Amino acid sequence: GESVGLHLPTLSVQEGDNSIINCAYSNSASDYFIWYKQESGKGPQFIIDIRSNMDKRQGQRVTVLLNKTVKHLSLQIAATQPGDSAVYFCAENNRTAGGTSYGKLTFGQGTILTVHP
Amino acid sequence: EPEVTQTPSHQVTQMGQEVILRCVPISNHLYFYWYRQILGQKVEFLVSFYNNEISEKSEIFDDQFSVERPDGSNFTLKIRSTKLEDSAMYFCASSKTITDTQYFGPGTRLTVL
Repeated sequence: GESVGLHLPTLSVQEGDNSIINCAYSNSASDYFIWYKQESGKGPQFIIDIRSNMDKRQGQRVTVLLNKTVKHLSLQIAATQPGDSAVYFCAENNRTAGGTSYGKLTFGQGTILTVHP
Repeated sequence: EPEVTQTPSHQVTQMGQEVILRCVPISNHLYFYWYRQILGQKVEFLVSFYNNEISEKSEIFDDQFSVERPDGSNFTLKIRSTKLEDSAMYFCASSKTITDTQYFGPGTRLTVL
């Protein structure tokens, strides 16, 4: 069956360091991947996404890498700040029209990122 | 910046009671979703909704659950007879098209006693 999971449940870094959060997925039909940040008591906040026809996508201080060969997704945060402390979820979606996962996002377990000043 | 809003922020109810959770999606979005998150667990898909119809639903979304878009702005999730295990955060999300990013609301914490 399809699943999305994370290698590391917790990650602690010092302010200014770069952070890397990893995610594995098992559904080879997935064609869209998203990283969300969730702060305590709040809803998931969109960070960055990537489609399956890309290997890398960069945003402001964040980069997502997609390795379809090994079904691996990573989120890199440059110069991590205390405000980056949160739970980070990867999510995947098979949005092919006519497929069975029409809009449904499948989330991973989440990684807790703690940034120490 | 437009955002998804949800009310109430916290709902406490007795087991067996009906609850309605309300959402106002982003105004030009056409696709609407409900997800839930049991404390300490991952976010789980419940249902997607488009053109006044359910597009897809999960195994969690049984006959006790229903969704409705009663007017041009609200999107609701009804649980007919709540159970203890329905206690969770419920998130509404919306997207402009099926291939666009889903934006989430702040959630409603449902506590069933």
